[in-house]
Amino acid sequence: SQKIEQNSEALNIQEGKTATLTCNYTNYSPAYLQWYRQDPGRGPVFLLLIRENEKEKRKERLKVTFDTTLKQSLFHITASQPADSATYLCALAPGNQFYFGTGTSLTVIP
Amino acid sequence: DTEVTQTPKHLVMGMTNKKSLKCEQHMGHRAMYWYKQKAKKPPELMFVYSYEKLSINESVPSRFSPECPNSSLLNLHLHALQPEDSALYLCAGRLILGALKRILGTGELFFGEGSRLTVL
Repeated sequence: SQKIEQNSEALNIQEGKTATLTCNYTNYSPAYLQWYRQDPGRGPVFLLLIRENEKEKRKERLKVTFDTTLKQSLFHITASQPADSATYLCALAPGNQFYFGTGTSLTVIP
Repeated sequence: DTEVTQTPKHLVMGMTNKKSLKCEQHMGHRAMYWYKQKAKKPPELMFVYSYEKLSINESVPSRFSPECPNSSLLNLHLHALQPEDSALYLCAGRLILGALKRILGTGELFFGEGSRLTVL
């Protein structure tokens, strides 16, 4: 079965630093991988997609990398702010179904 | 504003009750999803509807019964639930992109705010 692991349940960093989150998967070769943000009690919100033929994708302070050999994606938030505190989820879609990773709860400390 | 609206936001029910969760969208999403999310866990896929037809059932117990009456509406009927079914139930929509748009689009999920279900 599909297994999608994110590096740690919780990550605390100081404001202004770069947060790096990891998503590792097995048993699948996805054409793309997505990242979502979820705030407490709310539905996830899409952030970025990266395709298998892309090494890196950027959007403002966000950067995603995708290594299909390692079966891993890295998600970076540069110049982090307290407002970036949330749970971040990676997601794979083998077909029409979307499976989410275990999630990382990020806290940015002022 | 979310493009997917879920009602009710909160629901408390007994184990013998029958209730329904409702999900509505008017953005042309042709794939609709139900997820269940327990505290501090990721969303867990339950059902997928594609063009109003049930395409995926992730071995969900029959006490959960999905329904898609039309392209804008998705229901989740609940009957004889257990306390462990208490969770946040999330509905999501997704555009099914044509071959050309798939190259350009992202095909992401648009989630509603969820219905918080408590089973007593």
